[in-house]
Amino acid sequence: NAGVTQTPKFRILKIGQSMTLQCTQDMNHNYMYWYRQDPGMGLKLIYYSVGAGITDKGEVPNGYNVSRSTTEDFPLRLELAAPSQTSVYFCASTPTPGDRGISSYNSPLHFGNGTRLTVT
Amino acid sequence: AQSVSQHNHHVILSEAASLELGCNYSYGGTVNLFWYVQYPGQHLQLLLKYFSGDPLVKGIKGFEAEFIKSKFSFNLRKPSVQWSDTAEYFCAVNARGGTASKLTFGTGTRLQVTL
Repeated sequence: NAGVTQTPKFRILKIGQSMTLQCTQDMNHNYMYWYRQDPGMGLKLIYYSVGAGITDKGEVPNGYNVSRSTTEDFPLRLELAAPSQTSVYFCASTPTPGDRGISSYNSPLHFGNGTRLTVT
Repeated sequence: AQSVSQHNHHVILSEAASLELGCNYSYGGTVNLFWYVQYPGQHLQLLLKYFSGDPLVKGIKGFEAEFIKSKFSFNLRKPSVQWSDTAEYFCAVNARGGTASKLTFGTGTRLQVTL
C-alpha cells in the first residue's frame, strides 16, 4: 500500500508556463483534496473531489483546474503559472463515508509528500 | 464558515519542558477537531482528533488535547517534550455535515526543542 503518491517532488516553472501536478492513491478513497501550504499561512484548500467525475472548488481555486476521471487519480493543472503560485502543494484523501463505519467528517486526511513549486 | 486561530507562531523549549499550544476556532455548529504534525521535510500526519465523547483525547507520542466547548478551544499539550518533537503543528477543524470533510487549518506553530 503506497498511500498517496505525488509527482514531481520539485519543479521550477517560468511565468506563463503550464504544468500538471500528479496525485494518485491506492486506498480506494473516494474523497480527494488539493491543498497549498504557504509559510505562515497554514494550508488552504484549492479543489476537492467526492468521487470520480465530481469536483468542486475550495477556498483558493483561481488559477487551477482539476479533473477526476478515475477513483485513483486527481491531477491539478496550472495553465498560466504566476509567481503567486509558488508554494508547496499537498494532495490528500479520506475514506469513503459509510465504508466500515467510517465517516468522512472525522476520518483523518492521508497526505502525500508534497510538490514544491517555484514560479520565476 | 469556520476559522481557526493559533496564537503561538514559534515556540522554543528545552527538552523535558512542558508544552501547551493554543488553538481556538470559530463556528456556531458542531465540529470535529484535529491536530496534525509536520516533521521537517515530511508530509502532515495526524496527531490526534476529537469528534465526540471524552473531551480529553490522547494521541500518539504522548500528546493530548482538551476540547473546551465553552471556550471554543482545543489546546495541545505534552508534559515533557523531546528533541524529536521539533516540528510544525497545525490545528484543524471541520464542520459536521456537508459533502466532504474539508478541513480548515490554522496557520501553524513551529516548535523548536533544544537539547
